[in-house]
Amino acid sequence: QKEVEQNSGPLSVPEGAIASLNCTYSDRGSQSFFWYRQYSGKSPELIMSIYSNGDKEDGRFTAQLNKASQYVSLLIRDSQPSDSATYLCAVNLMGNQFYFGTGTSLTVIP
Amino acid sequence: IAGITQAPTSQILAAGRRMTLRCTQDMRHNAMYWYRQDLGLGLRLIHYSNTAGTTGKGEVPDGYSVSRANTDDFPLTLASAVPSQTSVYFCASSRTSGATDTQYFGPGTRLTVL
Repeated sequence: QKEVEQNSGPLSVPEGAIASLNCTYSDRGSQSFFWYRQYSGKSPELIMSIYSNGDKEDGRFTAQLNKASQYVSLLIRDSQPSDSATYLCAVNLMGNQFYFGTGTSLTVIP
Repeated sequence: IAGITQAPTSQILAAGRRMTLRCTQDMRHNAMYWYRQDLGLGLRLIHYSNTAGTTGKGEVPDGYSVSRANTDDFPLTLASAVPSQTSVYFCASSRTSGATDTQYFGPGTRLTVL
């Protein structure tokens, strides 16, 4: 079983809609959770981090964490074509034990 | 410079050759990391360094070595390259190796081993 699981997609949403990206992790000892965005041919860039149960909002982005269900999600409101990218979920078990999912490809259709 | 730089940007290498990928950061981050990214497998940690003078093995360390002589530089060496090491390599750094510290990524090196 992989440490971090994501649906590879592709996920397509119309412009202005809400995109919902999901991630599950296997180790209950995981301490911190991150969402990265990666454009084709580029390096991952941090969107959000979340450490405690509940929601965390930053602009159009909301991260949700449910440690009991071992589930973390990212909502993108008012999706824009520029949001089209691969979104990577990452889980930090303990310092250097940093695991990435394989990513979900998102396409926002104008 | 600001952030993390990697060199070369891309390289084609004959199997059996030795290759060093360079990584330099100017953020005075203590921790540095090397990942490889392969289609369908995602990012996998090769080696890490919590602070200058120390290194550790990640998920896929075989065939790779690293050194950390100072805070800024973290080179990755392939002693004798094999085709399975064809990949995109990313260097990353974080302020510390703590569980809540964010990792920031360099632009990557695309390596092809023939």
